[in-house]
Amino acid sequence: DAKTTQPPSMDCAEGRAANLPCNHSTISGNEYVYWYRQIHSQGPQYIIHGLKNNETNEMASLIITEDRKSSTLILPHATLRDTAVYYCIVRVDDNQGGKLIFGQGTELSVKP
Amino acid sequence: NAGVTQTPKFQVLKTGQSMTLQCAQDMNHNSMYWYRQDPGMGLRLIYYSASEGTTDKGEVPNGYNVSRLNKREFSLRLESAAPSQTSVYFCASSLGDRSSYEQYFGPGTRLTVT
Repeated sequence: DAKTTQPPSMDCAEGRAANLPCNHSTISGNEYVYWYRQIHSQGPQYIIHGLKNNETNEMASLIITEDRKSSTLILPHATLRDTAVYYCIVRVDDNQGGKLIFGQGTELSVKP
Repeated sequence: NAGVTQTPKFQVLKTGQSMTLQCAQDMNHNSMYWYRQDPGMGLRLIYYSASEGTTDKGEVPNGYNVSRLNKREFSLRLESAAPSQTSVYFCASSLGDRSSYEQYFGPGTRLTVT
C-alpha cells in the first residue's frame, strides 16, 4: 500500500472550515484513500473514503486531485468536538479483509 | 446493537504472565482485526481475520497469537507478556467485502506489563 504524508499538527478556529492535507504520491490506480479520526483515548472512527471522485457525507468532504497524488479532508464548520488526530490511509481494493495501515496522522486542535 | 466490545478495559500483568484479550461484534461482519497503539503513535496491525476460519499476520505479530472462535469473536493471546507489550489494544471489524471496508473499532484495552 502507498505511503501517506500528513502535517503533524494543525489549528483551526471554531466555526471555520478545517482543511487537512494528505500527500500520497505513489498511489496506484486501484488504491482508495480513507480518512479516520481518533478522539483522545477512543477507538478510531471512520469518516469518509474515495477513489477518484470527490466525496461528501454528513461528516466531511474529500477532495482528491486529478492526478490522485494528494487529497484534502474538509470539515466545513469545525467544532470543539472535532479536536482529534486525523489519519489519511491508502489501501488496495482487494479481497484480503480490508486491512488498514495507519501512519502518524495530523493532530487537529479546534480553538474557540 | 453494542457494536464492537472488548474485555477487559484495563489490565496489569507481570512479566512472563499470560492473558487473553476478548473481542466480540454483533454486526455480522466477516473481517476482524487487532491493533496496538503505543503512546504518541498511530495504530499498528497485529493480526487480522479476513473471514471466519482464517487469520493472517499484520505488521507486528511477534509475541501474540489469535483465535477466530466464530464469526462474532476474535481473541488475542499474550503467552508470555513483556514490558514492550505495554500498550492500548484495539479490536475492529468490517464487512470485509468490496462494498464496504469501513472498520468499526472497540473502546480499547489498556494493558500495562511491569
